[in-house]
Amino acid sequence: NAGVTQTPKFRVLKTGQSMTLLCAQDMNHEYMYWYRQDPGMGLRLIHYSVGEGTTAKGEVPDGYNVSRLKKQNFLLGLESAAPSQTSVYFCASSYSSDAWVGTNTEAFFGQGTRLTVV
Amino acid sequence: AQSVTQLGSHVSVSEGALVLLRCNYSSSVPPYLFWYVQYPNQGLQLLLKYTSAATLVKGINGFEAEFKKSETSFHLTKPSAHMSDAAEYFCAVSNNDMRFGAGTRLTVKP
Repeated sequence: NAGVTQTPKFRVLKTGQSMTLLCAQDMNHEYMYWYRQDPGMGLRLIHYSVGEGTTAKGEVPDGYNVSRLKKQNFLLGLESAAPSQTSVYFCASSYSSDAWVGTNTEAFFGQGTRLTVV
Repeated sequence: AQSVTQLGSHVSVSEGALVLLRCNYSSSVPPYLFWYVQYPNQGLQLLLKYTSAATLVKGINGFEAEFKKSETSFHLTKPSAHMSDAAEYFCAVSNNDMRFGAGTRLTVKP
């Protein structure tokens, strides 16, 4: 059982380049999330999805786009990378974060992608 | 909007001493609350979660947390720290999405 898998694990980009981070989960989870982690700031939510074909903005969405064409995949895109986007990116998934539904609401995390923009 | 605040970015304790990591939440509806642990160069692992079934929640590795609605708190405790507990700990609140605190780095001295 792979859980949540992120690719790539490391990447160095030049300013202005574009790239896509892939997140795949095999737990049939409805909700998927993209976070960035920066020292002293914890995890900040970039975008999330509550189901296939849906996406929503989180706390820090600017400069990023996402797509959820298949339930098991959640892609994070950087159209024109900037040094401020240097960070560690984490993908997570959960059955449901709706307080009305179920109890399996904890998020399962991937191992992270370390991105450096120079 | 929901949020959590973790008091203290760094906590240092001696091995065998009590661990207390503080978390206060803000939520307009009854929250789901979580504590996660992150070891160096790894993702986050769930320690425990509060989902309104009981106010005192026991998690893995001897950790527990108590939900106090009147204080809007969900502090994490462990009676006796072990060297292997050294890590970063995150409190999180979930409603329509999941929001994390800034984290508390726990150092355990021999």
